[in-house]
Amino acid sequence: DAGVTQTPRHEVAEKGQTIILKCEPVSGHNDLFWYRQTKIQGLELLSYFRSKSLMEDGGAFKDRFKAEMLNSSFSTLKIQPTEPKDSAVYLCASSRDWGCTGQLYFGEGSKLTVL
Amino acid sequence: AQSVTQPDARVTVSEGASLQLRCKYSYFGTPYLFWYVQYPRQGLQLLLKYYPGDPVVQGVNGFEAEFSKSNSSFHLRKASVHWSDWAVYFCAVRGGANTGKLTFGHGTILRVHP
Repeated sequence: DAGVTQTPRHEVAEKGQTIILKCEPVSGHNDLFWYRQTKIQGLELLSYFRSKSLMEDGGAFKDRFKAEMLNSSFSTLKIQPTEPKDSAVYLCASSRDWGCTGQLYFGEGSKLTVL
Repeated sequence: AQSVTQPDARVTVSEGASLQLRCKYSYFGTPYLFWYVQYPRQGLQLLLKYYPGDPVVQGVNGFEAEFSKSNSSFHLRKASVHWSDWAVYFCAVRGGANTGKLTFGHGTILRVHP
């Protein structure tokens, strides 16, 4: 089975631009997560979907960050407008049954640099 | 609120030596605990997980961890470290089965010397 696929792997944006990061979860997984990883803050939850419904979002990220699940096999994370402090690695993860297994499968991440 | 502390930002060991990476958690109730590993240029991978039950859990590649409620700890151990274990290790806590939030520690970088 293919793992979690994230594109692009690297993105460079100018301040104020809109960027869209994409994620394809493992086939058959019902739970999808977006995390942000930085050296200072570590891993922070941005969004959590179960069967395409938004279950949780990171309160601090609501204003410029929007995650969507367009269908069960594709999700996007839009950052609009970008700021230099958004420079980080954005990780997508999926789970077959988060409530029971608690196991996440992570993608390799999308590294965003905002100039 | 739940939290995880990994007090050691970096640990260096010699190949073949034993290893312990420390993890302290804060959660009011019975936690679900995890160790994830991130190898260079790869995504995080699950090493092992603790669900309420036997306090010692076995993971992949010879890793194990022990849950201690009295110490609020979930330390990771390995009897003999291999050079391929060079990676970043993250401890994480989930407060119950119905929340999606997995709270991670800041990670411990493990370096292995030949």
